[in-house]
Amino acid sequence: DAGITQSPRHKVTETGTPVTLRCHQTENHRYMYWYRQDPGHGLRLIHYSYGVKDTDKGEVSDGYSVSRSKTEDFLLTLESATSSQTSVYFCAISESLAGGNEQFFGPGTRLTVL
Amino acid sequence: GQNIDQPTEMTATEGAIVQINCTYQTSGFNGLFWYQQHAGEAPTFLSYNVLDGLEEKGRFSSFLSRSKGYSYLLLKELQMKDSASYLCAGGGSYIPTFGRGTSLIVHP
Repeated sequence: DAGITQSPRHKVTETGTPVTLRCHQTENHRYMYWYRQDPGHGLRLIHYSYGVKDTDKGEVSDGYSVSRSKTEDFLLTLESATSSQTSVYFCAISESLAGGNEQFFGPGTRLTVL
Repeated sequence: GQNIDQPTEMTATEGAIVQINCTYQTSGFNGLFWYQQHAGEAPTFLSYNVLDGLEEKGRFSSFLSRSKGYSYLLLKELQMKDSASYLCAGGGSYIPTFGRGTSLIVHP
């Protein structure tokens, strides 16, 4: 299994508080991604990174920011959490964007915003 | 973004064969993935198709028709442990767009 972990695995927070989720990999993969998964919507890309300090927005980036200061860590921050951000968040990694390069997913973080 | 369409739910009997379909927009196509996701777990990679035809991997096969914007995942000799969501992902971007997933329920 690819070495990819997420922390925390579960979090309950209140509306308006900042939240940071961490993704850590031991595979030295270049690409890292944050997705959210909600019933009826499937996996939606929030942000991704193509190298240290190189990030770009996905389709649902509003209300989220990311940072990648080291190859192995990719942080997702909700500056001021809202109830609409209650979701399961998955981090993923891949070696490249070349065709056929599969993504390996972390175990997920279940976030509840009250 | 890419429009990926797949059925929401399917049921099948243990030991049977089931086919899960996926359609996508053909413009700018860059390959199609299938992932399996058990309840409460992370998605895991099953297959990738970029050329037309059938790719077989044990009990699972995946088919692609580029001209029709169509793929299917074929599961043979169904087992109870195959009950899961099956995610189709693809598109014109190098980062695939995921469909909403097909929840497969296998019953005895």
